[in-house]
Amino acid sequence: KAGVTQTPRYLIKTRGQQVTLSCSPISGHRSVSWYQQTPGQGLQFLFEYFSETQRNKGNFPGRFSGRQFSNSRSEMNVSTLELGDSALYLCASSFSGAGELFFGEGSRLTVL
Amino acid sequence: ELKVEQNPLFLSMQEGKNYTIYCNYSTTSDRLYWYRQDPGKSLESLFVLLSNGAVKQEGRLMASLDTKARLSTLHITAAVHDLSATYFCAVDITLSQFYFGTGTSLTVIP
Repeated sequence: KAGVTQTPRYLIKTRGQQVTLSCSPISGHRSVSWYQQTPGQGLQFLFEYFSETQRNKGNFPGRFSGRQFSNSRSEMNVSTLELGDSALYLCASSFSGAGELFFGEGSRLTVL
Repeated sequence: ELKVEQNPLFLSMQEGKNYTIYCNYSTTSDRLYWYRQDPGKSLESLFVLLSNGAVKQEGRLMASLDTKARLSTLHITAAVHDLSATYFCAVDITLSQFYFGTGTSLTVIP
């Protein structure tokens, strides 16, 4: 059974640009959530989607957005990138949103 | 806001020794999770603890949960080098919103 797949794995952007990250959940999982990991702030929740609806959102500015498609695949977008957005962005999936999360390998974003 | 604290933050231990990592959280929850992260890698699920008094063991690792004390422990028995990694505990109180601890960076020295 394939795990959670994230693309791209690494990317470099400059301040002011925008970026889109993609996540394909485990087959059959309908909940996708996103986390940001930085050395200073640790792991922080961004948002969660289930059946194309955002059900929960963390404390991040509106520059961070996401969506989920009918096949449960999800994308997150960060606009007007800032240096502080440099981080590992992790996607996780679960069957219903309750219980154990299964994480992808992450997308490492560097903002110059 | 829910706070999840782990200690120690850094742990250097010799092979063959035992040690315990502690995870305290600040609000009521019956669900606690332990994850492992190797450098540059993603989070690997280790244990899911779903009730007070839950105890789970896998190899040299054993996790327990005391919901009344809001405390979980991850006990390492006879450490080996392969256990070197960062260990996170996490609590969820709403849908898929996990609150992670600060992580414990474990180094096992031969």
